[in-house]
Amino acid sequence: SQTIHQWPATLVQPVGSPLSLECTVEGTSNPNLYWYRQAAGRGLQLLFYSVGIGQISSEVPQNLSASRPQDRQFILSSKKLLLSDSGFYLCAWSNDRGYGYTFGSGTRLTVV
Amino acid sequence: SQQGEEDPQALSIQEGENATMNCSYKTSINNLQWYRQNSGRGLVHLILIRSNEREKHSGRLRVTLDTSKKSSSLLITASRAADTASYFCATAMFSGGYNKLIFGAGTRLAVHP
Repeated sequence: SQTIHQWPATLVQPVGSPLSLECTVEGTSNPNLYWYRQAAGRGLQLLFYSVGIGQISSEVPQNLSASRPQDRQFILSSKKLLLSDSGFYLCAWSNDRGYGYTFGSGTRLTVV
Repeated sequence: SQQGEEDPQALSIQEGENATMNCSYKTSINNLQWYRQNSGRGLVHLILIRSNEREKHSGRLRVTLDTSKKSSSLLITASRAADTASYFCATAMFSGGYNKLIFGAGTRLAVHP
């Protein structure tokens, strides 16, 4: 069965520090991968998506970047965090057939 | 930008009552999906309805889709305290080689024992 792992669960980082959040998927190959951000009490905003290794598309201009070094690994990064980067970050995967997304358990990032 | 808009933003009911949440969207879609999120957790996929379907059932869940009105509703029958969560609709549009999923802001459901 397919599983998705996302870590860490919580993170407190100072302004200006770097960020690296990792997401891995097991039990499937060539998944579509996504990074979403959720502000408190709000819906999800799509940040990045990837349909294959090295293929990254950004939905909104921001202080973040994403990479996909391996088929089932998706990394969200920042060189220098801003206060506005605080939020709940969710990784998800889907297949090409347009079925539902499977989400990771999320990382709550607080930039102080 | 947000594609789906849920209504109401918050809903408070007693156990055993039915809960109805609505979702409106703006553009043509391939399918519409409903997700549930417990506080501070990831989202869980509940049900998917395709653009050529009008109604779908899954256990105590009933979803309707009206593409002419660009709206959908999620009905949870005989609600339980464990149904307390936020519920999101998400519209899927094929764009850039994949089904792009856009989420609404969600409805916070509280079911009181």
